[in-house]
Amino acid sequence: GQQLNQSPQSMFIQEGEDVSMNCTSSSIFNTWLWYKQDPGEGPVLLIALYKAGELTSNGRLTAQFGITRKDSFLNISASIPSDVGIYFCAHNSGGSNYKLTFGKGTLLTVNP
Amino acid sequence: ETGVTQSPTHLIKTRGQQVTLRCSSQSGHNTVSWYQQALGQGPQFIFQYYREEENGRGNFPPRFSGLQFPNYSSELNVNALELDDSALYLCASSLDGVGAFFGQGTRLTVV
Repeated sequence: GQQLNQSPQSMFIQEGEDVSMNCTSSSIFNTWLWYKQDPGEGPVLLIALYKAGELTSNGRLTAQFGITRKDSFLNISASIPSDVGIYFCAHNSGGSNYKLTFGKGTLLTVNP
Repeated sequence: ETGVTQSPTHLIKTRGQQVTLRCSSQSGHNTVSWYQQALGQGPQFIFQYYREEENGRGNFPPRFSGLQFPNYSSELNVNALELDDSALYLCASSLDGVGAFFGQGTRLTVV
């Protein structure tokens, strides 16, 4: 099946630092989604991207849909302790119905 | 909060047993999807129910089955539990399959 390669696997940063993580695929995608999962919770959608080259922000978060349609990145600026969690990229393989394929996640730790 | 509730939150079962997990979808949502998340992995799509019919299935054996009820709540049943079935099981609901709002999950441990 389709594989999403997410990197880095984990990051340990100081509060206030900027963070960048990315996701690549061997297949062309029509959507890229970024989710965050807090401990003991389900994933929550952060940003959805639907067009190659699209750059979308949500507060301190910015994500881009790569021009090749095979990659995406997520940036977090001025990190704060509550940014701690696992960040997943995902792709909707179900067309109009959401059947998501997720990457393995990036574990972010923010040191106050 | 997404309004999607799952029960129970945790349970422990013995290998070979059967388990039923439950999901109440967000009000107004008619589609429920189930995902399995093993430790250190991203969620994996099991299947989706739309208006009480199965609407797509991932790469899971037939001992994983489901139901959706007229009120759009859903059950995930797993027969003949194996140790590798230990995972967080997530339910996601949506309206007409668009989007995915996840519950907090059920942590299943098979011993």
